[in-house]
Amino acid sequence: NAGVTQTPKFQVLKTGQSMTLQCAQDMNHEYMSWYRQDPGMGLRLIHYSVGAGITDQGEVPNGYNVSRSTTEDFPLRLLSAAPSQTSVYFCASSYSRGLDTQYFGPGTRLTVL
Amino acid sequence: QQQVKQSPQSLIVQKGGIPIINCAYENTAFDYFPWYQQFPGKGPALLIAIRPDVSEKKEGRFTISFNKSAKQFSLHIMDSQPGDSATYFCAAKSGNQFYFGTGTSLTVIP
Repeated sequence: NAGVTQTPKFQVLKTGQSMTLQCAQDMNHEYMSWYRQDPGMGLRLIHYSVGAGITDQGEVPNGYNVSRSTTEDFPLRLLSAAPSQTSVYFCASSYSRGLDTQYFGPGTRLTVL
Repeated sequence: QQQVKQSPQSLIVQKGGIPIINCAYENTAFDYFPWYQQFPGKGPALLIAIRPDVSEKKEGRFTISFNKSAKQFSLHIMDSQPGDSATYFCAAKSGNQFYFGTGTSLTVIP
């Protein structure tokens, strides 16, 4: 099992550019989520999904879109990047709605200039 | 508005000491309280978790104490080792959403 994988590991964008952060898991987990981690702020939930075709907003969803067409993949889209979106992004998954171990990916460090 | 308040921000202890990290919350809908450990450049990893119907849970050198009436919970690390040096996050779950504390950077001096 590869667990939770994220690509790319690092990314630099200019303001206004769009991009997709990729997340995949091979554990057949129902629940997947995206967090951003900023210094002094901890991790904040952006969007989550409880299964293929089902997504919902978390604490800080503005500026981000998600979709879940398969159980394995949960991409995060930035439609028009802003400097405020400079952060480290983590994808996580768990078997059932976070009631057991939530496995985190290695993270994507995004800088928006 | 931080739903889970964590303290201290940083902590330095000698090897063998017992660092204690505290978290507090107000939302009584929280029903699951995990602690995560994060090393530099890595994603967080679940360390130990507790439900509000239990006052204490121990796994190896890690213990969670939970005070439902005070809406507080804490992590104790027994016989701390230099390898425990990491950032620790508490979290709380309501429905399908997790809320994290701001993190505690722990340094264990040999």
